[in-house]
Amino acid sequence: AQSVTQPDIHITVSEGASLELRCNYSYGATPYLFWYVQSPGQGLQLLLKYFSGDTLVQGIKGFEAEFKRSQSSFNLRKPSVHWSDAAEYFCAVALGNKLVFGAGTILRVKS
Amino acid sequence: KAGVTQTPRYLIKTRGQQVTLSCSPISGHRSVSWYQQTPGQGLQFLFEYFSETQRNKGNFPGRFSGRQFSNSRSEMNVSTLELGDSALYLCASSLDRGQATGGYTFGSGTRLTVV
Repeated sequence: AQSVTQPDIHITVSEGASLELRCNYSYGATPYLFWYVQSPGQGLQLLLKYFSGDTLVQGIKGFEAEFKRSQSSFNLRKPSVHWSDAAEYFCAVALGNKLVFGAGTILRVKS
Repeated sequence: KAGVTQTPRYLIKTRGQQVTLSCSPISGHRSVSWYQQTPGQGLQFLFEYFSETQRNKGNFPGRFSGRQFSNSRSEMNVSTLELGDSALYLCASSLDRGQATGGYTFGSGTRLTVV
């Protein structure tokens, strides 16, 4: 079955340090992939999406993600984390007209 | 332009009651999807509507239902509420198939608490 795995439940990084959040998917065809961020008590905000083409995708707030078909991965990166990046991050794959989400990764930023 | 609007933001209901949640999509968006978010099960797809027709349904009991109106606004209804229905219910809108048209925009959600 199609699925999305985010192996890290929690990640803590120091402010100013680089960040990489991992996402692996299981899907037979070319996937449509997304990263969303959720602050406590809020909805989901789209950070970036991959549909096709260039495998390195730029998003909002300085985030980027790289699609690697050979590894079935779509990892999210940011070169320098800010305290305001503390939130929960969700990777998702589109299956038809629905999204299948990973379990999420909670990012903590220490000053 | 205005985003996806969900009302109410918070709701407290008693077991056995029913509840109706509302979602107004971004102007021009014709697809509305609903998701349930709980700490135990994460984000799960409930159903998706396009032009007043349900196109897809998740694995939820029949107590969960929805509809979409001609102006694309959508409602979801949960009957005979159970404690396990306590969750954040999120609505998302897109032009058509979100993966082909720029993605899905989510509302802030309705926090339902069943006591």
